[in-house]
Amino acid sequence: QVQLQQSGTELVKPASSVKISCKASGYTFTSNYMHWIRQQPGNGLEWIGWIYPGNGNTKYNQKFDGKATLTADKSSSTAYMQLSSLTSEDSAVYFCAKEKFRGRGFAYWGQGTLVTVSS
Amino acid sequence: DVQMTQSPSYLAASPGESVSISCKASKSINTYLAWYQEKPGKTNKLLIYSGSTLQSGTPSRFSGSGSGTDFTLTIRSLEPEDFAVYYCQQHNEYPFTFGSGTKLEIK
Repeated sequence: QVQLQQSGTELVKPASSVKISCKASGYTFTSNYMHWIRQQPGNGLEWIGWIYPGNGNTKYNQKFDGKATLTADKSSSTAYMQLSSLTSEDSAVYFCAKEKFRGRGFAYWGQGTLVTVSS
Repeated sequence: DVQMTQSPSYLAASPGESVSISCKASKSINTYLAWYQEKPGKTNKLLIYSGSTLQSGTPSRFSGSGSGTDFTLTIRSLEPEDFAVYYCQQHNEYPFTFGSGTKLEIK
């Protein structure tokens, strides 16, 4: 069965960077888009972008250009998101997610990674 | 960006009752709308996609309707496990955008 296992909670300092991971299993990692989504405390969900691990192509929400960088390691079926120049506004839960079929919503979600930015 | 306006933000109901949640898009999204359920300690669950198609495993008491800009999620005969937060999401164009959520609580 499809599983997306995310890395654990991060407590990081302002102006630093953090890299969180999403290990995929149960499907062909290289043939499926991996999406990333943010949920700030008390707020709704925001789509950050996707990566296609097969060729490394990415697409970002313009709002996250320069903030988020998506990469993927085919050998370990793991997707990564690096967040840079962190501020308190970046404190949030970050999810990886994938569609079962393209254009039919996110059928699979990771459990979320809490990132807290604090000095 | 397509703005998704979801209402109400809070809803209280009793088991056995029926409820509806509205989601309005700022421009036409055809039928590219999904509904999700969020519960503590569980991963988010896709309930409905393409406006009205039930995801495999979604109970038939859930239904979705609408096209263009106006969409509705209806839950008939609420079960205890249905009390959760619900989100709509458009996947018609980038960037994908979500509604602000509806918290459904037991009255």
